[in-house]
Amino acid sequence: ETGVTQTPRHLVMGMTNKKSLKCEQHLGHNAMYWYKQSAKKPLELMFVYSLEERVENNSVPSRFSPECPNSSHLFLHLHTLQPEDSALYLCASSQAPVATNEKLFFGSGTQLSVL
Amino acid sequence: AQTVTQSQPEMSVQEAETVTLSCTYDTSENNYYLFWYKQPPSRQMILVIRQEAYKQQNATENRFSVNFQKAAKSFSLKISDSQLGDTAMYFCAFILSGGGADGLTFGKGTHLIIQP
Repeated sequence: ETGVTQTPRHLVMGMTNKKSLKCEQHLGHNAMYWYKQSAKKPLELMFVYSLEERVENNSVPSRFSPECPNSSHLFLHLHTLQPEDSALYLCASSQAPVATNEKLFFGSGTQLSVL
Repeated sequence: AQTVTQSQPEMSVQEAETVTLSCTYDTSENNYYLFWYKQPPSRQMILVIRQEAYKQQNATENRFSVNFQKAAKSFSLKISDSQLGDTAMYFCAFILSGGGADGLTFGKGTHLIIQP
């Protein structure tokens, strides 16, 4: 299924750069999420926004800064990243304000490489 | 904290065969939900099947079915008549009823390869 769009698809950045990841959902959902997918590790939930308010921040370093200007858009601002931050960053959305048994709809992710 | 374990990093079967992916989880709670998500090479995760822990009947979705053993905390996925398009990473996931602070807890995944 489509409905969650992430840009860019690939991103290479230096440790001193500032960049942003963008996510847009066209499904009319109320909650949006950022997940980090590293090789050979389980997906890690980073941030949750419900009705445009942040409801979860799982001890994510401050070099990652989320922004949710409205219910359809979610950003992840990146600055002063480390090589270990290289990963696939997935955005997801759900109908319910907080996902319980609700189905998550994922985007195709941004593959980030930090040099 | 809840944990999800997928003990098979990679599996390979011939097209049309049946394959079973294993998943075990650990929780002290009684009410929760279990999921299998598929991530094809396109990278977009897609929900395959969902099971409510309070239901004894195993969930089925066309060629996909689960074997849910609550006492053993086991939640395996069976794919019947496997197709080339089933080649993907498969993730088992768990969430407490009511959400929980950590949202979905995922396993590390099983890479399933369907051979022609």
